[in-house]
Amino acid sequence: SYALTQPPSVSVAPGQTARITCGESNIGRKSVHWYQQKPGQAPVLVVYDDSDRPSGIPERFSGSNSGTTATLIISRVEAGDEADYYCQVWDSTSDNVVFGGGTKLTVL
Amino acid sequence: EVKLLESGGGLVQPGGSLRLSCAASGFMFSNYAMNWVRQAPGKGLECVSSLTGSGRTTYYPDSVKGRFTISRDNSEKMVYLQMNSLRAEDTAVYYCAKSGGNYPSGGLVDWGQGTLVTVSS
Repeated sequence: SYALTQPPSVSVAPGQTARITCGESNIGRKSVHWYQQKPGQAPVLVVYDDSDRPSGIPERFSGSNSGTTATLIISRVEAGDEADYYCQVWDSTSDNVVFGGGTKLTVL
Repeated sequence: EVKLLESGGGLVQPGGSLRLSCAASGFMFSNYAMNWVRQAPGKGLECVSSLTGSGRTTYYPDSVKGRFTISRDNSEKMVYLQMNSLRAEDTAVYYCAKSGGNYPSGGLVDWGQGTLVTVSS
């Protein structure tokens, strides 16, 4: 079955840049969306269509997608960015919304 | 303001049934695909059903196909998830989520707060 691969965890110091990857053989041909989920809360869309931001999401959040890897980039990381992050695509083969396994971002 | 409010969760025995509801407001409901996404305790996200704005086309992963049915009432701005033959592994928080367009091929722009389903004897 279709699978998106994310690292289980990423750690970064405040003020630095965090990069969270999402891997799949042809992901560069798909639109990738990213969600932030804090404990006890519903997910929030932070990047859509690879690199666009919904209104209200800080410019510190950006994305890229090419080849076999999509990347969520969080610049000038703050303590409040500590959360789980999920990538998501539409798999046209199975006609399903598919999520990556999630990455826990820890701010040191 | 977009609002999605789920209801209908609870404790059900294995093999039982449950129907979840999601009341939507704040947007042109029939223009948007809707989805149900679940999250088992301590686990990641899994989309268990989607349907187009018209309600004519539905989508299910193999894990729930034949057991779950998604539907919508555009006049009432409601979306439903009928869950049959429930298993322990269906235990999760179930979120109602709105897509960015008429088809569920884009991102999930808005989410409800979720309703907990527990399958246990």
